[in-house]
Amino acid sequence: GENVEQHPSTLSVQEGDSAVIKCTYSDSASNYFPWYKQELGKRPQLIIDIRSNVGEKKDQRIAVTLNKTAKHFSLHITETQPEDSAVYFCAASSQGRRALTFGSGTRLQVQP
Amino acid sequence: EAGVAQSPRYKIIEKRQSVAFWCNPISGHATLYWYQQILGQGPKLLIQFQNNGVVDDSQLPKDRFSAERLKGVDSTLKIQPAKLEDSAVYLCASSSTLTGPGNTIYFGEGSWLTVV
Repeated sequence: GENVEQHPSTLSVQEGDSAVIKCTYSDSASNYFPWYKQELGKRPQLIIDIRSNVGEKKDQRIAVTLNKTAKHFSLHITETQPEDSAVYFCAASSQGRRALTFGSGTRLQVQP
Repeated sequence: EAGVAQSPRYKIIEKRQSVAFWCNPISGHATLYWYQQILGQGPKLLIQFQNNGVVDDSQLPKDRFSAERLKGVDSTLKIQPAKLEDSAVYLCASSSTLTGPGNTIYFGEGSWLTVV
């Protein structure tokens, strides 16, 4: 089955700096890669996703890049703010197996 | 649009007792998932339903866990007997049709289980 690895497990940045979180996946059939943000005690919430027919997608301060050849994708957050502090999860799924396989999470702390 | 509803939000039980969690997905969503999230880890799929049929239950510990979605709408996840390692958040999620690559999966707030 699919295996998703995520790095780093923790990330501390200064407010205004950029943050990058990286994930690799194992199943070459995977074609959907969402990112979820989870605040303490809250539900995971989708912040951005990318499908395998594009290499990059951007939404304001958040961008995701996908390299299907290398089987990795990354989340980029620019101009970080304290409210970006949370745990971020990457995930992957394929058309055949719709359920998401999640990475282990990255705890992002933005220092004011 | 109403979100995924789950109850109870919190439950504390003793080991070997039983517990049941209920989920009502977003209206019209045919696919329903139950995930287990242990503290400090990513969610792990337990079972996936398409309408009232099971699509994937390969990671469900069937000796103690069971789930049903009898009318293709709401669902119940049961644990009996509970073990200490079952302490986790049980997240219900739903998504719409299976066509196309990737459909947004929406999560409920979760049911927090502590087994003592």
